[in-house]
Order: sequence, then structure tokens, then C-alpha cells
Amino acid sequence: EIVMTQSPATLSVSPGDRATLSCRASQSVSSNLAWYQQKPGQAPRLLMYGASTRAPGIPARFSGSGSGTEFTLTISSLQSEDFAVYYCQQYSNRPLTFGQGTKVEIK
Amino acid sequence: QLQLQESGPGLVKPSETLSLTCTVSGGSISSSSNYWGWIRQPPGKGLEWVGSLYYSGSTYYNSSLKSRVTISLDTSKNQFSLKLNSVTAADTAVYYCAILGHCSSASCYALASGAFDIWGQGTMVIVSS
Repeated sequence: EIVMTQSPATLSVSPGDRATLSCRASQSVSSNLAWYQQKPGQAPRLLMYGASTRAPGIPARFSGSGSGTEFTLTISSLQSEDFAVYYCQQYSNRPLTFGQGTKVEIK
Repeated sequence: QLQLQESGPGLVKPSETLSLTCTVSGGSISSSSNYWGWIRQPPGKGLEWVGSLYYSGSTYYNSSLKSRVTISLDTSKNQFSLKLNSVTAADTAVYYCAILGHCSSASCYALASGAFDIWGQGTMVIVSS
């Protein structure tokens, strides 16, 4: 099973600032990586797939990079609606696995 | 616009079978996606993939659930379902059904296959006597 490790666990950021979230895979997943945003009481929302392709309707302030074992999700200028928990997911191998999440909170 | 809705009992007794249904609306389930999946989230915890059923008929399950899980499709009802038997308190979670619904090309599926872009709202299932 591929273990996905996200860091940091919590990120305190001021509105308008840049946020950088990391995700590391225990073995290479190539570019088979997705990022999700989840707000309390809601289902996850797909942000990125293929490590760097934005899903339909996702604002350009979200960007993804990386391949192999190291990935990054960047939010260029945090808006109030961006404070949430973010998960990465690999779909290179089954079982599909998720990271434990990074909570982005208001500083 | 495709939408998913989970339904099923919110309370299941230990050792019994958890049965959930996901109804697809806004289009035919057969053309909605190449695969249909279930993901769960224990209270206050992260996401765990339960399993997926592919258009080819192949099913893949999380090995952590061993042989307790079955996912099936009912095209006549535009639904897919999850059955998890011999449940314990550890199976208490919000259960989500999800698909990859936006892809319409082979290149998109090549890049995104395995991700989920359309989710149900989730249904909480508590395992307790």
C-alpha cells in the first residue's frame, strides 16, 4: 500500500497570503495524484488531478506541481472560502490512498 | 448535471450487513462515468477508499476490508450499491459515493482515472447495538 504523508498538519495563513501544502508518497505515483478540498459537513471537492491539472470550475489561484513522490498544492492568494482541509490522493496503485489532510486555518 | 445521492440505514447492528445505495440523477448511470466508487470517513478522521466498480465489470476493493465488501450496479434503477458485511464499530463513518464524471475523452481518463469529481453529500452510518 502506498502511504501518503501530508505536511504540515495545520497551516495558519492570513487572507491574501500564499499557502503551500505538501504531499509525499512512499513510492513513486508518477503524476497520478489528486487534491481535494473539504469543508465541515461537506463532501470533498476535486481541485486538481494529474498532479497539475485543475478540475473544471476551479479558480486559477489553485495550482499543483510535482511528480514521482513529492507534490505541492499552492493557493496563490487565500480567500475566505479557501479555509478548509485539503487531502491528496494517489491513484497509481490500488488500494487508492489519501493523505491524512492539511487544515488551512485563518491566522 | 450529474448528481449523486446516498441512501440507506443510519444505524446498523454489529455483525450485520451495511447496505447503501447511490442514485445517479441528471443522466444515465451507464454513461456517467467509467467507474463508480465508495469512500468513507470515520468521525473526525480522514478519507478511506472502500472500493470501485469499473465499466468493464471489474471490481476492486480495499484489502483492509478483506472479503466483506461488494459493490454492484443496477442500470435499470440508475443506482450502484455497497454492501459491507460483519460490521463492527470500526465501520462507523460517513459513506460517500463518487464518480469521475467530467471526462469525455480518452486523454482525460488517462490523466484522471482514479480521481473522483462528483460526490454524493454523504450518509452517516453508525454501527451500534
